[in-house]
Amino acid sequence: DAKTTQPNSMESNEEEPVHLPCNHSTISGTDYIHWYRQLPSQGPEYVIHGLTSNVNNRMASLAIAEDRKSSTLILHRATLRDAAVYYCILTFMDSNYQLIWGAGTKLIIKP
Amino acid sequence: EAQVTQNPRYLITVTGKKLTVTCSQNMNHEYMSWYRQDPGLGLRQIYYSMNVEVTDKGDVPEGYKVSRKEKRNFPLILESPSPNQTSLYFCASSLLRNTGELFFGEGSRLTVL
Repeated sequence: DAKTTQPNSMESNEEEPVHLPCNHSTISGTDYIHWYRQLPSQGPEYVIHGLTSNVNNRMASLAIAEDRKSSTLILHRATLRDAAVYYCILTFMDSNYQLIWGAGTKLIIKP
Repeated sequence: EAQVTQNPRYLITVTGKKLTVTCSQNMNHEYMSWYRQDPGLGLRQIYYSMNVEVTDKGDVPEGYKVSRKEKRNFPLILESPSPNQTSLYFCASSLLRNTGELFFGEGSRLTVL
């Protein structure tokens, strides 16, 4: 099963862009790349997802490497409310349709 | 408002006393799933359901049961809870199983003494 690798934690200053990396070197051609975040004491929240092309939405941007072995979640201007654990997840097109969640990256925002 | 509702949010129980955690979604989603979250282990899938009357095991199904008699409800049943089932549980639903956004409930913190 394809898995993802993320740094355990990252720090950023408020109002600055944040680039959260994710490695998924064993990704298959039909796997989607999803990002979720979990704020303290809350359930995970969808951020963005993509397959091959870069994606933008109101929350963030997702940059996917040409070989799809890595991706980067970009928060353009981090605020204190963006402090959370960010999960990079691959979704499988096999019969189990499982999501494999790693430990995620704890993002710390400094005022 | 689109939401996934779990109950109870907090529960302390004793070993062997059957309990059910309910999950209901109001978005007409076909796909529903249960996860448990433990420190250092991330979210692990317990069971999932592709549609009414269709359920399948996830990564850690032992000690749990589920049912999907109606599209909106997906209860998690612990027939004989044990202390190792003390955890934070999340229910989630999605319109499209692999490409759609997963909507999560607020979580149910269960303690088994």
